[in-house]
Amino acid sequence: AQSVAQPEDQVNVAEGNPLTVKCTYSVSGNPYLFWYVQYPNRGLQFLLKYITGDNLVKGSYGFEAEFNKSQTSFHLKKPSALVSDSALYFCAVREMNSGYSTLTFGKGTMLLVSP
Amino acid sequence: DSGVTQTPKHLITATGQRVTLRCSPRSGDLSVYWYQQSLDQGLQFLIQYYNGEERAKGNILERFSAQQFPDLHSELNLSSLELGDSALYFCASSGSSYNEQFFGPGTRLTVL
Repeated sequence: AQSVAQPEDQVNVAEGNPLTVKCTYSVSGNPYLFWYVQYPNRGLQFLLKYITGDNLVKGSYGFEAEFNKSQTSFHLKKPSALVSDSALYFCAVREMNSGYSTLTFGKGTMLLVSP
Repeated sequence: DSGVTQTPKHLITATGQRVTLRCSPRSGDLSVYWYQQSLDQGLQFLIQYYNGEERAKGNILERFSAQQFPDLHSELNLSSLELGDSALYFCASSGSSYNEQFFGPGTRLTVL
């Protein structure tokens, strides 16, 4: 079975500071990993994904994520936060070669960026 | 804009009623997924269809059913509605098993 943990319900950061939103995963084999963002009253928007290759993945809006196989983590990062980054962030995983493409989502982490 | 459309945007109904939510996937996407998002349960996968066939089932209640039509649009049917069914229902689509899913704007269901 595949699972995702986002250990922080909320992350607070000041504008201009670096931000990290944490995600750890559990799969039987190799993972596909995704980050999505949800703004109020909107659907989820795809930010970035890790399939294979370079452990540092760059995505939309200046976000990046680092895949760490030994720590089974896929933390989302941004060097300089913007107030407009305030939103709900979801990490998701699916197991490679599972035969199915369903994603398992974490509970979400609310990111609040203060001016 | 993800290219996935959902109707209606809002739905208010009473307990015991039945409703149908509709989703049109992105052009060319064969897979459609349905999710339920509520404050207490988070984002829950309900069901997936691929090119008209049911592919995977998640935490979908027996009172709920879905189908995907030949033109690839999908409908989620919710019956014998209860107060606890009030939630945001999202549809997503993808082109293949390895691609990210693209989400629609959701249907907010309120059961009174």
